[in-house]
Amino acid sequence: DIQMTQSPSSVSASVGDRVTITCRASQGISNWLAWYQQKPGKAPKLLIYAASTLQSGVPSRFSGSGSGTDFTLTISSLQPEDFATYYCQQAHTFPSITFGQGTRLEIK
Amino acid sequence: EVQVVESGGGLVQPGGSLRLSCEPSGFILSSYEMIWVRQAPGKGLEWVSYISSSGRTTYYADSVKGRFTISRDNARNSVYLQMNSLRAEDTAVYHCARDLCSGGGCNSGGWLDPWGQGTLVTVSS
Repeated sequence: DIQMTQSPSSVSASVGDRVTITCRASQGISNWLAWYQQKPGKAPKLLIYAASTLQSGVPSRFSGSGSGTDFTLTISSLQPEDFATYYCQQAHTFPSITFGQGTRLEIK
Repeated sequence: EVQVVESGGGLVQPGGSLRLSCEPSGFILSSYEMIWVRQAPGKGLEWVSYISSSGRTTYYADSVKGRFTISRDNARNSVYLQMNSLRAEDTAVYHCARDLCSGGGCNSGGWLDPWGQGTLVTVSS
């Protein structure tokens, strides 16, 4: 199985900050990577797929990059509604997909 | 609005069974591959099962293989997850999700959108 490792596990930031979350795959996955946002008690929401494609309706302050084993999710200017948990997910071995352990983004 | 809604969760004893349902709206179910993902309390996301748009192809995580069965009834617009021989470690919120690209409109597969809010399954005596 392909293991996905996110860092950091949690991060504190302020409104307006630029935040970067990293995801590393245990083997190369090309650009078969997605990012999701989840708020407590809610369904995960697809933000980015194919490593850098912004899902329809997602604000442009979210961006993704990377290929192979190393990927990043960047939020250019944090808004109050962005405080949530973020997960990466590999689709290289779809339908057997795996997720990172999550990164909790908290208000400083 | 494109969405999916799960139902059927509840409290069940170890060794018991439960059947979850997933009902989509705002899209044609028969065009899409569907997936179940679970989330144990306070934990991350774990893929559980997949079913092709026709229902002829299914896959399972090793942790549930032989105990869970995924199925669909496109005429009734529903996807199901039959869970047998339940264990305490199956306790989780179970989410149903659509594979975004399987209905066309984008390339490749494995991107899940939308997800349902989930239904809680608690396995305890």
